[in-house]
Amino acid sequence: QKEVEQNSGPLSVPEGAIASLNCTYSDRVSQSFFWYRQYSGKSPELIMSIYSNGDKEDGRFTAQLNKASQYVSLLIRDSQPSDSATYLCAADTGRRALTFGSGTRLQVQP
Amino acid sequence: DADVTQTPRNRITKTGKRIMLECSQTKGHDRMYWYRQDPGLGLRLIYYSFDVKDINKGEISDGYSVSRQAQAKFSLSLESAIPNQTALYFCATRTGDKETQYFGPGTRLLVL
Repeated sequence: QKEVEQNSGPLSVPEGAIASLNCTYSDRVSQSFFWYRQYSGKSPELIMSIYSNGDKEDGRFTAQLNKASQYVSLLIRDSQPSDSATYLCAADTGRRALTFGSGTRLQVQP
Repeated sequence: DADVTQTPRNRITKTGKRIMLECSQTKGHDRMYWYRQDPGLGLRLIYYSFDVKDINKGEISDGYSVSRQAQAKFSLSLESAIPNQTALYFCATRTGDKETQYFGPGTRLLVL
Protein backbone atom coordinates (compact mmCIF):
# COMPACT_ATOMS: atom_id res chain seq x y z
CA GLN A 1 0.00 0.00 0.00
CA LYS A 2 1.31 3.41 -0.94
CA GLU A 3 1.82 5.80 1.94
CA VAL A 4 -0.14 8.55 0.20
CA GLU A 5 -2.83 7.69 -2.31
CA GLN A 6 -4.70 9.83 -4.78
CA ASN A 7 -7.03 9.09 -7.65
CA SER A 8 -5.08 9.87 -10.81
CA GLY A 9 -8.10 11.32 -12.59
CA PRO A 10 -8.63 13.18 -14.73
CA LEU A 11 -11.26 14.96 -12.70
CA SER A 12 -13.29 17.10 -15.05
CA VAL A 13 -15.46 19.96 -13.77
CA PRO A 14 -17.18 22.85 -15.54
CA GLU A 15 -15.97 26.38 -15.03
CA GLY A 16 -17.46 27.90 -11.89
CA ALA A 17 -18.07 24.55 -10.18
CA ILE A 18 -16.46 23.18 -7.03
CA ALA A 19 -13.62 20.73 -7.60
CA SER A 20 -13.04 18.20 -4.83
CA LEU A 21 -9.68 16.46 -4.64
CA ASN A 22 -9.08 13.64 -2.19
CA CYS A 23 -6.10 12.00 -0.58
CA THR A 24 -5.67 9.17 1.92
CA TYR A 25 -2.56 8.30 3.87
CA SER A 26 -1.48 5.17 5.65
CA ASP A 27 0.98 6.35 8.29
CA ARG A 28 -0.77 7.47 11.46
CA VAL A 29 2.43 9.27 12.45
CA SER A 30 1.81 11.83 9.72
CA GLN A 31 1.37 15.23 11.30
CA SER A 32 1.45 17.78 8.51
CA PHE A 33 -0.12 17.77 5.11
CA PHE A 34 0.45 19.83 2.02
CA TRP A 35 -1.29 20.42 -1.28
CA TYR A 36 0.83 21.38 -4.26
CA ARG A 37 -0.24 22.38 -7.75
CA GLN A 38 1.88 21.37 -10.70
CA TYR A 39 1.43 22.57 -14.26
CA SER A 40 2.73 20.30 -16.99
CA GLY A 41 6.53 20.42 -17.16
CA LYS A 42 6.78 22.84 -14.24
CA SER A 43 7.77 22.44 -10.62
CA PRO A 44 5.24 21.89 -7.83
CA GLU A 45 4.12 25.02 -6.01
CA LEU A 46 2.49 25.06 -2.60
CA ILE A 47 -1.20 25.85 -2.38
CA MET A 48 -1.94 25.07 1.26
CA SER A 49 -0.68 23.31 4.32
CA ILE A 50 -2.83 21.90 7.12
CA TYR A 51 -1.83 20.46 10.48
CA SER A 52 -5.00 20.25 12.58
CA ASN A 53 -8.27 18.43 12.13
CA GLY A 54 -10.95 20.48 10.44
CA ASP A 55 -11.04 23.00 7.63
CA LYS A 56 -8.58 25.66 6.57
CA GLU A 57 -9.61 28.24 4.01
CA ASP A 58 -7.48 30.46 1.79
CA GLY A 59 -9.32 32.35 -0.90
CA ARG A 60 -11.00 29.87 -3.24
CA PHE A 61 -9.20 26.94 -1.64
CA THR A 62 -10.25 24.93 1.41
CA ALA A 63 -8.20 22.08 2.83
CA GLN A 64 -9.89 19.54 5.08
CA LEU A 65 -8.13 17.11 7.40
CA ASN A 66 -9.60 14.14 9.24
CA LYS A 67 -6.86 12.32 11.13
CA ALA A 68 -9.21 9.65 12.47
CA SER A 69 -10.09 8.63 8.92
CA GLN A 70 -6.59 9.44 7.59
CA TYR A 71 -8.11 11.61 4.92
CA VAL A 72 -7.16 14.97 3.43
CA SER A 73 -9.08 16.87 0.80
CA LEU A 74 -8.81 20.07 -1.19
CA LEU A 75 -11.84 21.98 -2.41
CA ILE A 76 -11.50 24.57 -5.14
CA ARG A 77 -14.50 26.88 -5.40
CA ASP A 78 -15.43 28.77 -8.57
CA SER A 79 -13.02 26.63 -10.60
CA GLN A 80 -11.27 28.40 -13.46
CA PRO A 81 -9.60 26.98 -16.57
CA SER A 82 -6.31 28.23 -15.09
CA ASP A 83 -6.83 25.76 -12.23
CA SER A 84 -6.33 22.91 -14.70
CA ALA A 85 -3.22 21.16 -13.42
CA THR A 86 -2.08 18.15 -11.44
CA TYR A 87 -2.61 18.44 -7.68
CA LEU A 88 -0.18 16.64 -5.41
CA CYS A 89 -0.96 15.68 -1.85
CA ALA A 90 2.00 15.28 0.51
CA ALA A 91 2.32 13.99 4.06
CA ASP A 92 5.06 14.71 6.57
CA THR A 93 5.86 11.95 9.04
CA GLY A 94 8.74 13.96 10.49
CA ARG A 95 11.25 11.26 9.59
CA ARG A 96 12.87 12.50 6.44
CA ALA A 97 11.04 14.29 3.65
CA LEU A 98 7.56 14.81 2.42
CA THR A 99 5.93 11.75 0.91
CA PHE A 100 3.93 12.57 -2.19
CA GLY A 101 0.95 10.95 -3.79
CA SER A 102 1.03 10.40 -7.53
CA GLY A 103 -1.29 13.35 -8.12
CA THR A 104 -4.78 14.00 -9.46
CA ARG A 105 -5.14 15.71 -12.81
CA LEU A 106 -7.86 18.35 -12.80
CA GLN A 107 -9.46 19.65 -15.98
CA VAL A 108 -11.72 22.68 -15.77
CA GLN A 109 -13.91 22.94 -18.85
CA PRO A 110 -14.71 26.48 -20.07
CA ASP B 1 16.28 35.81 -8.89
CA ALA B 2 14.94 32.36 -8.15
CA ASP B 3 15.52 31.01 -4.65
CA VAL B 4 16.27 27.47 -5.83
CA THR B 5 18.10 27.02 -9.12
CA GLN B 6 18.98 23.90 -11.05
CA THR B 7 21.50 23.42 -13.85
CA PRO B 8 21.24 22.27 -16.52
CA ARG B 9 17.55 22.67 -17.26
CA ASN B 10 17.67 20.12 -20.03
CA ARG B 11 20.22 17.42 -20.74
CA ILE B 12 20.56 14.69 -23.31
CA THR B 13 23.19 12.05 -22.67
CA LYS B 14 24.11 8.57 -23.77
CA THR B 15 23.99 5.30 -21.90
CA GLY B 16 27.07 4.81 -19.74
CA LYS B 17 27.98 8.48 -19.41
CA ARG B 18 28.52 10.12 -16.04
CA ILE B 19 26.55 13.29 -15.53
CA MET B 20 25.98 15.74 -12.71
CA LEU B 21 22.92 17.80 -11.94
CA GLU B 22 23.46 20.82 -9.73
CA CYS B 23 21.22 22.60 -7.28
CA SER B 24 21.84 25.90 -5.53
CA GLN B 25 19.65 27.80 -3.10
CA THR B 26 19.65 31.25 -1.57
CA LYS B 27 16.91 30.52 0.99
CA GLY B 28 19.37 29.62 3.74
CA HIS B 29 17.65 26.27 4.33
CA ASP B 30 19.62 23.43 5.87
CA ARG B 31 17.59 20.62 4.33
CA MET B 32 17.94 19.77 0.65
CA TYR B 33 16.38 16.99 -1.39
CA TRP B 34 16.55 15.35 -4.79
CA TYR B 35 13.42 13.83 -6.34
CA ARG B 36 12.67 12.29 -9.69
CA GLN B 37 9.29 12.40 -11.34
CA ASP B 38 7.98 9.92 -13.86
CA PRO B 39 4.53 10.00 -15.46
CA GLY B 40 1.99 8.35 -13.17
CA LEU B 41 4.49 7.73 -10.38
CA GLY B 42 4.59 11.07 -8.68
CA LEU B 43 7.68 12.39 -6.93
CA ARG B 44 10.08 9.81 -5.57
CA LEU B 45 12.86 10.69 -3.16
CA ILE B 46 16.41 9.89 -4.28
CA TYR B 47 18.61 11.45 -1.58
CA TYR B 48 18.26 14.03 1.12
CA SER B 49 20.63 16.02 3.31
CA PHE B 50 19.95 17.78 6.60
CA ASP B 51 23.33 19.50 6.62
CA VAL B 52 26.74 19.24 4.97
CA LYS B 53 27.73 16.18 6.98
CA ASP B 54 24.36 14.45 6.97
CA ILE B 55 23.38 12.70 3.75
CA ASN B 56 20.76 9.98 3.52
CA LYS B 57 19.41 7.64 0.90
CA GLY B 58 15.83 7.92 -0.18
CA GLU B 59 13.59 5.26 -1.65
CA ILE B 60 15.32 5.03 -5.07
CA SER B 61 19.02 5.81 -4.52
CA ASP B 62 20.51 2.95 -6.58
CA GLY B 63 22.47 4.30 -9.53
CA TYR B 64 22.75 7.78 -8.02
CA SER B 65 25.17 9.58 -5.72
CA VAL B 66 25.15 13.03 -4.18
CA SER B 67 27.50 15.65 -2.84
CA ARG B 68 26.67 18.47 -0.42
CA GLN B 69 29.45 20.90 -1.17
CA ALA B 70 28.08 23.66 1.05
CA GLN B 71 24.87 24.56 2.80
CA ALA B 72 23.64 26.11 -0.41
CA LYS B 73 24.74 23.45 -2.92
CA PHE B 74 23.60 19.88 -3.42
CA SER B 75 24.61 17.92 -6.51
CA LEU B 76 23.21 14.70 -7.92
CA SER B 77 25.36 12.39 -10.03
CA LEU B 78 24.47 9.52 -12.29
CA GLU B 79 27.61 7.42 -12.35
CA SER B 80 26.70 5.47 -15.47
CA ALA B 81 23.46 6.71 -16.98
CA ILE B 82 20.88 4.22 -18.24
CA PRO B 83 17.71 4.86 -20.26
CA ASN B 84 15.33 4.20 -17.36
CA GLN B 85 16.87 7.19 -15.59
CA THR B 86 15.15 9.38 -18.15
CA ALA B 87 12.92 11.58 -16.01
CA LEU B 88 12.28 15.03 -14.63
CA TYR B 89 14.53 15.75 -11.65
CA PHE B 90 13.68 18.25 -8.93
CA CYS B 91 15.74 19.70 -6.16
CA ALA B 92 13.90 20.98 -3.09
CA THR B 93 14.77 22.77 0.15
CA ARG B 94 13.16 23.07 3.55
CA THR B 95 13.85 24.72 6.90
CA GLY B 96 12.53 21.96 9.14
CA ASP B 97 9.67 19.68 10.16
CA LYS B 98 6.17 20.91 9.37
CA GLU B 99 7.62 23.46 6.99
CA THR B 100 6.98 23.77 3.27
CA GLN B 101 9.32 22.25 0.74
CA TYR B 102 10.31 24.64 -2.03
CA PHE B 103 11.16 23.21 -5.42
CA GLY B 104 13.61 24.22 -8.08
CA PRO B 105 12.50 24.51 -11.72
CA GLY B 106 13.57 20.97 -12.58
CA THR B 107 16.01 19.30 -14.94
CA ARG B 108 14.64 17.27 -17.81
CA LEU B 109 17.05 14.39 -18.49
CA LEU B 110 16.97 12.11 -21.51
CA VAL B 111 19.28 9.10 -21.59
CA LEU B 112 19.63 7.55 -25.02
